[in-house]
Parts: sequence; structure tokens; C-alpha cells
Amino acid sequence: DVKVTQSSRYLVKRTGEKVFLECVQDMDHENMFWYRQDPGLGLRLIYFSYDVKMKEKGDIPEGYSVSREKKERFSLILESASTNQTSMYLCASSPAADPHGPQHFGDGTRLSIL
Amino acid sequence: SQQGEEDPQALSIQEGENATMNCSYKTSINNLQWYRQNSGRGLVHLILIRSNEREKHSGRLRVTLDTSKKSSSLLITASRAADTASYFCATAPISGGYNKLIFGAGTRLAVHP
Repeated sequence: DVKVTQSSRYLVKRTGEKVFLECVQDMDHENMFWYRQDPGLGLRLIYFSYDVKMKEKGDIPEGYSVSREKKERFSLILESASTNQTSMYLCASSPAADPHGPQHFGDGTRLSIL
Repeated sequence: SQQGEEDPQALSIQEGENATMNCSYKTSINNLQWYRQNSGRGLVHLILIRSNEREKHSGRLRVTLDTSKKSSSLLITASRAADTASYFCATAPISGGYNKLIFGAGTRLAVHP
């Protein structure tokens, strides 16, 4: 089974802090994604990566950056956390061989910015 | 954003009843997928239906797709308490970049014993 692991289930940070959310997948998938999930809004794509060191902006990239130095790891960075970034963050991966296929999700990180 | 929309937003039924959720979308698609999310967990892929398919079954799940109406439905038959979760449709649009999915806001299903 594909396993996507997010480093923290719950995280509490303060306004202005630099925050790192880590995601690791064990299936050698080329594609990795970061979403945020808010009530009534569904999942919104922040960034995705289709290869090591490659990244593309999603629908809501403002205030975020990403890093993909190794194929299995995709990090989301909040450069200066703000209260409106309090949300559930979900990481997902998928293989390049199936570009329109299912994505495999981690269990999410519930981030609170105080 | 080319977001799909699920209907209803919330659904409450008794065990053994059928649950039907609907999804509408706006653009031409390669496929449409349904996911389940248990409370506080990530999304789990349930079923994928391609744009040239009209109906697909998987166990107690039945999905239909009407591309002329840009809509899909998910039917869960003989529901169980364990089916309690949020259900999301996601579309793979033909344009807008490959391997991107557009998710709806979800339907919260509660199945009561």
C-alpha cells in the first residue's frame, strides 16, 4: 500500500514564525501536492511538484513556499505564519505514469496559528 | 476556481438505507473521482469514472456520470455506520494542467445505527 506520512498531526505556532510541514511518500511517486482544507471550501491546491527540484504554483500559493530536494520528500513552508493560515494541510502523491489518476493522501496536519 | 459542487452538503440516514450524493462541475474532464474522508483523517480514493463511461460499480458503490449535464452521482447501498464520513468528488480537467484535480466542498454523511 502507498504510504504518505505527514510529520505532525497537530501543530501550534505563533504569528510571524517560520513553519515547516513535512511530507514523505514511500512509493517512488513523481508527483506530490500540498492542499489546504477549510470548512465549506473543500481542498485547495497550494503547490505541486512533478519532479525533484521542480515546483508549480497551485490556486493559493501566496504566503507559502515549497522544497523538494529528494523524490520522496515534499516540504511546505510558511515564511511568516499568519492567523489566516490556520487550517488543515493535506499532502498527496501520485505516479507520473497515471497523470489523471488517483492521488494518495496523508492523514493531514492540523495547524493553528496563534 | 473550477470547483465541483456536491449536493447535499449534509445527509443523515439510518443504517440499511441508501445514500445518494451528487456532484456538478463546470469544465470538460478526463475523469471524475470520488474520495472519502473520515473525521480528522486524509482522503481515501474510492472510485474513478472516465469521461467515456456512464456507470461504474465497486462493491456497494455505484457511480454515474452524465457529461452532457456535467454531473455525477455516488450511491452507497445498504449503508452502515462505518460509512459515516465526508465524501468528495474531484475532477481531472482536460485543460489547466495534467495531474491536477479539482475538489468540491464535500457531502457529510451520517449513518445512524
